[in-house]
Amino acid sequence: GAVVSQHPSWVICKSGTSVKIECRSLDFQATTMFWYRQFPKQSLMLMATSNEGSKATYEQGVEKDKFLINHASLTLSTLTVTSAHPEDSSFYICSARKGTSGGDNEQFFGPGTRLTVL
Amino acid sequence: AQTVTQSQPEMSVQEAETVTLSCTYDTSESDYYLFWYKQPPSRQMILVIRQEAYKQQNATENRFSVNFQKAAKSFSLKISDSQLGDAAMYFCAQTGTASKLTFGTGTRLQVTL
Repeated sequence: GAVVSQHPSWVICKSGTSVKIECRSLDFQATTMFWYRQFPKQSLMLMATSNEGSKATYEQGVEKDKFLINHASLTLSTLTVTSAHPEDSSFYICSARKGTSGGDNEQFFGPGTRLTVL
Repeated sequence: AQTVTQSQPEMSVQEAETVTLSCTYDTSESDYYLFWYKQPPSRQMILVIRQEAYKQQNATENRFSVNFQKAAKSFSLKISDSQLGDAAMYFCAQTGTASKLTFGTGTRLQVTL
C-alpha cells in the first residue's frame, strides 16, 4: 500500500505557457501533500504544503502566483507552473502523508515530473 | 529552524563490505523524526529507515541500521554486506510536528566489485 503517482512523468513546454502536474495517492487518503523541487545533483527543497480543502502554505521565496497548488480531494493535488520560463525547468516531486500530524509522519513519494521549458 | 548536514558528498564501498554515511542535524523541537532516503537513478525516493527521537534504541532494517546519538544530534546510517543495488544518492532528513521534511545535501554511494 501507500502508492503515489504523478502525471506526467516528463513534460516539455514553450516559454510563457502553463503546465499542470498531478499528484495522486492511489490507495490511501492524504490529508496533506507536499511539493518539492530538485535541481540536478542537488537535494529536495520543499516548495509548499497542500492541505485538502484549504489554501496551500508556501515556503519562503516560493512565488505562490507562479506555482499554483490545488488540493481539491483527499487523493489529488495539482501543481500548475504558470507562465513557465527556462529557469523553472527542474524535477518536481510530490509526497503524501497518511493520517494526522503528531502520529505517523512518514511521507510517501511520487516518482517525480521532469519539466523542461524551452 | 531545522538543518540537516551531510558532510560526505561521495562515498565508495566494495561489494559485501560495510559503509557508514554521516548525518548531523539541528532542531528546536523535542518531538521529531529522522529518516534516511535512497534515491536511485530512477529518482524515486525510497524510505530506507526511520527513527523516532523519543526512542533510545537504534532502528534497524535488515542490512541497514542507524547510530542515533541524540545529545550529539548525530544520525549515521550503516549499510552492511553492501550490494550493487545499494548504489544511489542517500539523503538524511528530519521532520517535526509540522511534518515538513528538511533534507541534507545527500551522499552519493558507489558500490564497486
